[in-house]
Amino acid sequence: QITLRASGPALVKPTQTLTLTCTFSGFSLNTPGAGVNWIRQPPGKALEWLALLYWDDDKRYNPSLKSRLTITRDTSENQVVLTMTDMDPVDTATYYCQHRAGYWGQGTLVTVSS
Amino acid sequence: DIVLTQSPLSLSVTLGEPASISCRSSQSLVHRNGYNSLDWYLQKPGQSPQLLIYLVSNRASGVPDRFSGSGSGTDFTLTITRVEAEDVGVYFCMQSLQTPITFGPGTRLEIK
Repeated sequence: QITLRASGPALVKPTQTLTLTCTFSGFSLNTPGAGVNWIRQPPGKALEWLALLYWDDDKRYNPSLKSRLTITRDTSENQVVLTMTDMDPVDTATYYCQHRAGYWGQGTLVTVSS
Repeated sequence: DIVLTQSPLSLSVTLGEPASISCRSSQSLVHRNGYNSLDWYLQKPGQSPQLLIYLVSNRASGVPDRFSGSGSGTDFTLTITRVEAEDVGVYFCMQSLQTPITFGPGTRLEIK
């Protein structure tokens, strides 16, 4: 059974860096074809894709946010980490991680406020 | 970027009646392997999205057979043959043919 869970701080201040962790089980990120997406959803708004990490360590970013995002893996811990720099109130959203095959984790709400 | 549009954006349906949602893409979603990279998700109130249909017409595990998907290229449809109370939520399509991965704006389904 594939499960994922996003975790991180509930509140960050403007200009700070956000670090989110996706902890997963039920699959290996070393398996060809595997990949983990980060996706966010501002309150009441549409979903926005942020980044994707493939099994071969190929990384893709949303061009509109690329300069602020870094996606990495911790294979030993079955985790994928996303960092987003220079946070702004417009980045307030529920952040999700997702397996490429369609499994979504429980999201984590991040509020950006001073 | 590939833009996905959905219609209608909201739907009010009587229990037991059918419902249909359209998703149109600004570009063909046919992969070089011949498959269309278009999935359908349902986000129930207060929950994470759940996969309903993958690669246009394949029901995900545990999804009732009243849900079906069809289409190819740029035009896709999600059909519910008989709406049940548990089907309430927001339905959205997602393309994964190329990055950035993009989503439709969502269609809110409510019971009349």
